[in-house]
Amino acid sequence: DGGITQSPKYLFRKEGQNVTLSCEQNLNHDAMYWYRQDPGQGLRLIYYSQIVNDFQKGDIAEGYSVSREKKESFPLTVTSAQKNPTAFYLCASTGGGGTQYFGPGTRLLVL
Amino acid sequence: SQQGEEDPQALSIQEGENATMNCSYKTSINNLQWYRQNSGRGLVHLILIRSNEREKHSGRLRVTLDTSKKSSSLLITASRAADTASYFCATMGLYSGAGSYQLTFGKGTKLSVIP
Repeated sequence: DGGITQSPKYLFRKEGQNVTLSCEQNLNHDAMYWYRQDPGQGLRLIYYSQIVNDFQKGDIAEGYSVSREKKESFPLTVTSAQKNPTAFYLCASTGGGGTQYFGPGTRLLVL
Repeated sequence: SQQGEEDPQALSIQEGENATMNCSYKTSINNLQWYRQNSGRGLVHLILIRSNEREKHSGRLRVTLDTSKKSSSLLITASRAADTASYFCATMGLYSGAGSYQLTFGKGTKLSVIP
């Protein structure tokens, strides 16, 4: 069953804590993306990666970090520098042609 | 600022009616895409229309693109309660870079179809 998985579904962060959101795909796609969605808003690009071991900042990269050590995996770390992390985080991938395939999302909440 | 802006922000219709959503954008594009999002879920791709196309159909969906007006519309015919969701347009810039496939999303139209 091909697709993109994200875990966990819900994540709670304490003040000053770094947390990591997982994104895995078995679609053999080269490009992967992380978006942030706030209530009633569209998606804003945090980071993207076009190929293994390479990634680029998106529009709102401050307070976030990523890695791309494997083609299948693109984890996102929300650092303590991100002062307003509460949001819905979506991971996506594309193999070409421009259509993006999305995971089910992770909702991050602050305790 | 975001590239695409959908209109209206919210739309409520009766089952069986047609729903029309509009999207305007600001710069030249390679293509425009429409996505659907059920509450609390990921986005699902509906349809892609390239800059040299004017109209495209997929089942009950009809998308038009007017590059001179920098606008697109999504028509859902004979709506069903299951069509209730948020709909987003997304644009791929003309110069998005080889292999980049970056999309810029609008804020979406929230569609409610009443049974």
